[in-house]
Amino acid sequence: KQEVTQIPAALSVPEGENLVLNCSFTDSAIYNLQWFRQDPGKGLTSLLLIQSSQREQTSGRLNASLDKSSGRSTLYIAASQPGDSATYLCAVDSTDKLIFGTGTRLQVFP
Amino acid sequence: DAGVTQSPTHLIKTRGQQVTLRCSPKSGHDTVSWYQQALGQGPQFIFQYYEEEERQRGNFPDRFSGHQFPNYSSELNVNALLLGDSALYLCASILFVLGSYEQYFGPGTRLTVT
Repeated sequence: KQEVTQIPAALSVPEGENLVLNCSFTDSAIYNLQWFRQDPGKGLTSLLLIQSSQREQTSGRLNASLDKSSGRSTLYIAASQPGDSATYLCAVDSTDKLIFGTGTRLQVFP
Repeated sequence: DAGVTQSPTHLIKTRGQQVTLRCSPKSGHDTVSWYQQALGQGPQFIFQYYEEEERQRGNFPDRFSGHQFPNYSSELNVNALLLGDSALYLCASILFVLGSYEQYFGPGTRLTVT
């Protein structure tokens, strides 16, 4: 059974810091891995999707890496801003359904 | 082009009642998945509909049922509501393309069971 774990559960940092959010999964047989952002009480916004054959994806200040063999992914946020404050969710797709972690709640203060 | 829409936005029901939630997928998307997100947790997969049939189902009791219409919109029905059914219900609209897919989530329906 696929299980997804995210560390840390919460993070509070000053503006400008570079951040690393971690995600681990137990079954390496995945189609892809996605990172989502969720603002309080809202739906999910897809940030990055990494296919199982890829090692990383980049979008603006965000970079996500994938190491299938070790069951790990990291989301790197450069030069964090208060507008980055949200919950970040990692999800793996094994059989056309997403298995989510419990998220990292990020607060960036000015 | 409208994205994924869900209705209603919020809903309050009493234990034992029944509820229907609705989802309209993004234009051209023919597959819909439903997820339940309890407070402080990640979303959990309920089921997926394609061509008006349930294609996959997560670990949810039969009180949770669904339907997909010819226009690809979908409903999630929950019978005999329990307090533990209080959650944000998310709909995901999917289009499979050449071994990959596009997927967009709706804003969700917040269900409170009292």
